[in-house]
Amino acid sequence: GAVVSQHPSRVICKSGTSVKIECRSLDFQATTMFWYRQFPKKSLMLMATSNEGSKATYEQGVEKDKFLINHASLTLSTLTVTSAHPEDSSFYICSAGTGLGNEQFFGPGTRLTVL
Amino acid sequence: QKEVEQNSGPLSVPEGAIASLNCTYSDRGSQSFFWYRQYSGKSPELIMSIYSNGDKEDGRFTAQLNKASQYVSLLIRDSQPSDSATYLCAVNPNTDKLIFGTGTRLQVFP
Repeated sequence: GAVVSQHPSRVICKSGTSVKIECRSLDFQATTMFWYRQFPKKSLMLMATSNEGSKATYEQGVEKDKFLINHASLTLSTLTVTSAHPEDSSFYICSAGTGLGNEQFFGPGTRLTVL
Repeated sequence: QKEVEQNSGPLSVPEGAIASLNCTYSDRGSQSFFWYRQYSGKSPELIMSIYSNGDKEDGRFTAQLNKASQYVSLLIRDSQPSDSATYLCAVNPNTDKLIFGTGTRLQVFP
């Protein structure tokens, strides 16, 4: 149980385009979903927390207009990187919380490369 | 001051030995504690959760929690080369978020 999928697993795009990443909890309803970013050999950085049907809460320094998060249902959250630039190239990982002890289960991640 | 601290390593142990990974945290009110394993280029995978003082065993893994001293540890018995990864300690300080340490890189050599 507690499987989280993420799509796409890898995306390469041109600078200035927008990229949407989907995160789905496959076998449970996630009360909260989280979006992280991780640069090579660096630690996880939480970008935002989202609850179904409400606006996402962004961490300090994360541009909400650049990283649009939609949490339309208890099993689906999306992250859209708008007007992507090379510095946005990173490993984006979502996680879903079950609400039980606040454990989080991670998706497999999306590797974004902006040319 | 970092909220969750781990030694970055690498911690090198021979195959078959016990690997001991440690983590300290600053928020005394924290109630939930987790260990994640992250292979290079992959996302973190939950391997242990612990909520009360003492030891919790699951196969070759044992998590230990001492709330008075504010530390949590992970022991890996009979370490295998496939255990080589970065181990992330995560603490829930009674919010909806987890606070992650920077991780300890474990290397198990044959």
